[in-house]
Amino acid sequence: AQKVTQAQTEISVVEKEDVTLDCVYETRDTTYYLFWYKQPPSGELVFLIRRNSFDEQNEISGRYSWNFQKSTSSFNFTITASQVVDSAVYFCALSEAPGSARQLTFGSGTQLTVLP
Amino acid sequence: DVKVTQSSRYLVKRTGEKVFLECVQDMDHENMFWYRQDPGLGLRLIYFSYDVKMKEKGDIPEGYSVSREKKERFSLILESASTNQTSMYLCASTLQGSYSNQPQHFGDGTRLSIL
Repeated sequence: AQKVTQAQTEISVVEKEDVTLDCVYETRDTTYYLFWYKQPPSGELVFLIRRNSFDEQNEISGRYSWNFQKSTSSFNFTITASQVVDSAVYFCALSEAPGSARQLTFGSGTQLTVLP
Repeated sequence: DVKVTQSSRYLVKRTGEKVFLECVQDMDHENMFWYRQDPGLGLRLIYFSYDVKMKEKGDIPEGYSVSREKKERFSLILESASTNQTSMYLCASTLQGSYSNQPQHFGDGTRLSIL
């Protein structure tokens, strides 16, 4: 069975600090997909990134970067120079090869608070 | 941009009532999903639909049913609401095909309280 662990329940940082959100996953498949979503206080989950298991290149998008390491089954998310608007709950999610929808599994989320 | 609209942001119902949560998407997506979100548990899949009148159980379908009569609309039904169904409910949709690698687009959520 697949599993996603976000060990950090809550993180608080001061604006302009860098922060890394951890995500560790478990799966038996060799083909799978990893996602990060952001949930601001308004409630809607916003898609941030998708990564497939064959692409271990790190990705940078503005202040956001993602570090995918298959050797440690981790897909960590770093926000550089954090801002108050980054305050949200962040979810990491995993889906295995095309099949049943129940194979999309979310972590429990990390509440990030960025203080001014 | 994809728009997924849930009919209510907040809803208060009583134990034993039949409750309908509605979700509409405007991007002609084949796949639609209902999740519930609880503190410390993340999102858990209740039901999924890959076509009109088609449905599949997720991880926690007990106490719920769904209806997909039109492609754009996916309804979640609590047949007889109970207090343990107090939660945030999120609807999502995505394109057909290998949907496991397509990002799901989410609505704003419905915060349901059962008294």
